[in-house]
Amino acid sequence: QVHLVQSGADVKKPGSSVKVSCKASGGTFGSNAISWVRQAPGQRFEWLGGITPNFGSAKYAQTFQGRVTITADESTGTVYMELSSLKSEDTAVYYCAAHYSLAVANTWLVSWGQGTLVSVSS
Amino acid sequence: EIVLTQSPGTLSLSPGERATLSCRASQSVSINDLAWYQQKPGQAPSLLIYAASVRATGIPDRFSGSGSGTDFTLTISRLEPEDFAVYYCQRYGDSSITFGQGTRLEIK
Repeated sequence: QVHLVQSGADVKKPGSSVKVSCKASGGTFGSNAISWVRQAPGQRFEWLGGITPNFGSAKYAQTFQGRVTITADESTGTVYMELSSLKSEDTAVYYCAAHYSLAVANTWLVSWGQGTLVSVSS
Repeated sequence: EIVLTQSPGTLSLSPGERATLSCRASQSVSINDLAWYQQKPGQAPSLLIYAASVRATGIPDRFSGSGSGTDFTLTISRLEPEDFAVYYCQRYGDSSITFGQGTRLEIK
């Protein structure tokens, strides 16, 4: 089963961008779609989008369309999520998670990264 | 977007008791498109149930999922101390994912 390790916590200013990484191991990179989900304090989980690493094709939630970019680097087995125009409301723990199959958002999440706290504050 | 509403918000029970957690969808959901996760403090969620009723690998048989249409249930037959956590339902499919707000299962 794929094991996901994320980059460390980050603090950003409003209006800036953040890029979080998610390195996969223990499986064949590209065998599972990877999604990004966030959990803000007191809020339910929100899906930002996901990618099929082999093909580099990403899908995004409408809420985040235009503000989020998800990419994959096959050479290092790493998926990245970049969120721009940050606001204080973007303060959350961001998780990457592997789907059961290659279909982004169309199957369940079989394993999760440990989470990355992104704090947005002036 | 399909909205998932979980109830109760908090459930207080004792070890050995039976827990019944509900997840109601704003529109009909295919039984193939509903999962349940457990989250313990400071940890990422972990998969319990997918396709509404299929236990994930390594999940004890005291966990069971059921339901169809707009009403789904997670049942824990006999609570163990390690089962006290927050539980989330999730709908996947049609290229989007939504989650319920969670049910906190606490020791009475």
